[in-house]
Amino acid sequence: RKEVEQDPGPFNVPEGATVAFNCTYSNSASQSFFWYRQDCRKEPKLLMSVYSSGNEDGRFTAQLNRASQYISLLIRDSKLSDSATYLCVVNMNTGFQKLVFGTGTRLLVSP
Amino acid sequence: NAGVMQNPRHLVRRRGQEARLRCSPMKGHSHVYWYRQLPEEGLKFMVYLQKENIIDESGMPKERFSAEFPKEGPSILRIQQVVRGDSAAYFCASSNGAPEQYFGPGTRLTVT
Repeated sequence: RKEVEQDPGPFNVPEGATVAFNCTYSNSASQSFFWYRQDCRKEPKLLMSVYSSGNEDGRFTAQLNRASQYISLLIRDSKLSDSATYLCVVNMNTGFQKLVFGTGTRLLVSP
Repeated sequence: NAGVMQNPRHLVRRRGQEARLRCSPMKGHSHVYWYRQLPEEGLKFMVYLQKENIIDESGMPKERFSAEFPKEGPSILRIQQVVRGDSAAYFCASSNGAPEQYFGPGTRLTVT
């Protein structure tokens, strides 16, 4: 089983739609989780940190379910500029900050 | 610009040559991480360094790859005798010890 698994997509949605991505992780000892956004051929950019059950920032909501070992990202009122690859990232809690990245879920928002 | 800086942004090397990739962390950060991203794949952890120390190099290939973060100057990822399979984007990230890591723009290495 992969340490972090994501549906690669792509998710094709119209502007204004609500879209959700899920991610599962294998290490039950993981303590911190992140969503990064990566545009084509550019560096990952931190979108949200998730430490407790969830986090909300504007149109973006992340939720954590420790019992089922999954994290979700919900994007409301999608914008064209939201088109990107969304990376689920887990801190493996190995004694230092070792991040393991999922392969990403691609989102395409169309007019 | 107080962000993570990497250079060069693009590097072309022939098989057998050496590649040196540089990373200057964000101001105030002393923790540096190197990742490799192969085409159509996710980022893979390579090495974690603090000033003058390698903390974890579990993701680094045993041969030809080395990394350092000297007391003065940038962190350097060195790849000796490059092969075609080394062609990838190499990203550096930095942190102040907190879990959040911030990435540089990457170096795209092409081995011909």
